[in-house]
Amino acid sequence: DQQVKQNSPSLSVQEGRISILNCDYTNSMFDYFLWYKKYPAEGPTFLISISSIKDKNEDGRFTVFLNKSAKHLSLHIVPSQPGDSAVYFCAARAAGGTSYGKLTFGQGTILTVHP
Amino acid sequence: DTGVSQNPRHKITKRGQNVTFRCDPISEHNRLYWYRQTLGQGPEFLTYFQNEAQLEKSRLLSDRFSAERPKGSFSTLEIQRTEQGDSAMYLCASSRPPGGITDTQYFGPGTRLTVL
Repeated sequence: DQQVKQNSPSLSVQEGRISILNCDYTNSMFDYFLWYKKYPAEGPTFLISISSIKDKNEDGRFTVFLNKSAKHLSLHIVPSQPGDSAVYFCAARAAGGTSYGKLTFGQGTILTVHP
Repeated sequence: DTGVSQNPRHKITKRGQNVTFRCDPISEHNRLYWYRQTLGQGPEFLTYFQNEAQLEKSRLLSDRFSAERPKGSFSTLEIQRTEQGDSAMYLCASSRPPGGITDTQYFGPGTRLTVL
C-alpha cells in the first residue's frame, strides 16, 4: 500500500528553466509534508516543508504547493541549476496516534539539470 | 559539525553474522528514527525513540533486528544472523520535540550494509 507516490521516476530540465516535481498521497491523516534531496552515498537533506493548514511555502528558489482536495503536492525549483541534480523524495507525516513523527516516503524522482 | 553521524559508513559481512550500527543524533534532539532504504525506493520507517523509550516498531523489523537508545542519546541497531535481503542503506534521523506542528527530521549519511 503505497500511501505516498511519486509517479515520475525521472525529470530532465535545462539550466535556468523551472523544475516541477510532483507527489500524490492517499492518507487523509497526513498533516505535514516535506521534500528531501539526496545525492548518491549520502543521507537525505531536508529542503522545504509545508503544513496542511497552508497551500504554499517558499524558500529562495524552492516553492512547495499543497492541494489538499486533490491530495497532491508539488515542488517548484526556479531557476534550476546543475547542482540541483539529485534524487528528490516527498515525505508525509500522519497526525496523532502512536505513529506521530513517522515519515512515509515516496519512491523518489531523479532530477537532471543540463547546463 | 553538529549533524547526525552514523558509524560505520560501510559494512560488508557474510550471511549469518551479526552486525551493529551506531547513530549519534543532533545534540538535544530527543527523537531518534531508523529507516532502511533499498535501491530505487524511498526510505522505509523501522523504529523510533523518544528519549530512551522505543515508541514504535515497524512490521519490517523482524525478530532479528533490535534497537536501543540506553541513555537517550546515541542509538544502536543490531541485526542478528544477517541475510542477503538485509543488504540496504540504514539511515538514522533525529528531530526536536513536537512543540508545534513542525517536526523536521534531519538525516545522517547512512550505513551501507552488504551481506555476501
